[in-house]
Amino acid sequence: AQTVTQSQPEMSVQEAETVTLSCTYDTSESDYYLFWYKQPPSRQMILVIRQEAYKQQNATENRFSVNFQKAAKSFSLKISDSQLGDAAMYFCAFIYNFNKFYFGSGTKLNVKP
Amino acid sequence: GAVVSQHPSWVICKSGTSVKIECRSLDFQATTMFWYRQFPKQSLMLMATSNEGSKATYEQGVEKDKFLINHASLTLSTLTVTSAHPEDSSFYICSARGGVETQYFGPGTRLLVL
Repeated sequence: AQTVTQSQPEMSVQEAETVTLSCTYDTSESDYYLFWYKQPPSRQMILVIRQEAYKQQNATENRFSVNFQKAAKSFSLKISDSQLGDAAMYFCAFIYNFNKFYFGSGTKLNVKP
Repeated sequence: GAVVSQHPSWVICKSGTSVKIECRSLDFQATTMFWYRQFPKQSLMLMATSNEGSKATYEQGVEKDKFLINHASLTLSTLTVTSAHPEDSSFYICSARGGVETQYFGPGTRLLVL
């Protein structure tokens, strides 16, 4: 069975600072994909970043980057130069073999001005 | 690119009536779409997987006769909540599979059953 765990229900960061959101997962699969989605108050799910398990290089999208540790089954999201618009729920997700998404429980990120 | 729309965004109905929610992929074709339900301050709960031209696959505990799903074309899937009751009030989100294993989400539909 596949599981995704986000152990931080809520976090806060000062504007312009850096914050890291944690995600761990459990699977026996070797080929899979990992995602971070953002859900702002509008509740629209927005793709933040995607990582293929076969790629050793960590994915980066502007201010967002991941630390993918396959052996440790860890997939953390780092947000640099935090902005007020980054305030949202962040969900980590896992998928393999055109299956369904397995979502974590989410982390609420507050950004303080 | 990869835009998914949902209609309506808000619906209020009386108990016992049926409500249809549409999910459209606007700029890509999606052979597979997904329907989720989200309770306040919780994660997304997958209800069913919708495949174009075939029957939907429902998750355990989801009543297929209550939540009817039709995926009639490569850009449209519909969810019909039949004989809606107050406990069906929720936020319903669809997504469409685009690219390699990536899902693109619609803006969601808020359903309130009185």
